[in-house]
Amino acid sequence: DQQVKQNSPSLSVQEGRISILNCDYTNSMFDYFLWYKKYPAEGPTFLISISSIKDKNEDGRFTVFLNKSAKHLSLHIVPSQPGDSAVYFCAASSASGSRLTFGEGTQLTVNP
Amino acid sequence: EPEVTQTPSHQVTQMGQEVILRCVPISNHLYFYWYRQILGQKVEFLVSFYNNEISEKSEIFDDQFSVERPDGSNFTLKIRSTKLEDSAMYFCASTRGGQNTGELFFGEGSRLTVL
Repeated sequence: DQQVKQNSPSLSVQEGRISILNCDYTNSMFDYFLWYKKYPAEGPTFLISISSIKDKNEDGRFTVFLNKSAKHLSLHIVPSQPGDSAVYFCAASSASGSRLTFGEGTQLTVNP
Repeated sequence: EPEVTQTPSHQVTQMGQEVILRCVPISNHLYFYWYRQILGQKVEFLVSFYNNEISEKSEIFDDQFSVERPDGSNFTLKIRSTKLEDSAMYFCASTRGGQNTGELFFGEGSRLTVL
């Protein structure tokens, strides 16, 4: 199932710099996109979302951008902090069902 | 802050045995879910549950799996006869309303090891 894909398994950035995590999807029925953060031995935690009628949603240090024509979304974290180090999952859902389809995850490491 | 709780945190079982994983969703939530993550793989949807019935299930959720909300607080996942490939982290999740918001609250997971 490659409907949601995160091509970078890992990303390392310096504290204070911008982190950009990318996600691509193939299913044009997806109309709601989310980012979840996961620490080891914990469940995923909702971070931010965007519906397909928007191209940007911002919440504090976190901004999600959606490019529907390219079927691509990205999460920007600025400034990055060491506490942001975690696995970030992109997920998508459609109006026809309630399931979330997840990407593989990207391990973000923010170095002090 | 309210949270989804899951028990056990880790269960080891022999192949062919029945396993029940338990979840207590957040109290005013109406939609309940099970997901699983096999080591090194994606988080995968298993089943969603609303109004005391399954609202959607994936191809993974075959006849070996069942869910139940027996008492208005617990939400359980039963695997009737476990197989080696059922070894995974199982996550329960819940949300207050609106099937398609996707903003789920996940528990910490139950790790199932099938020997």
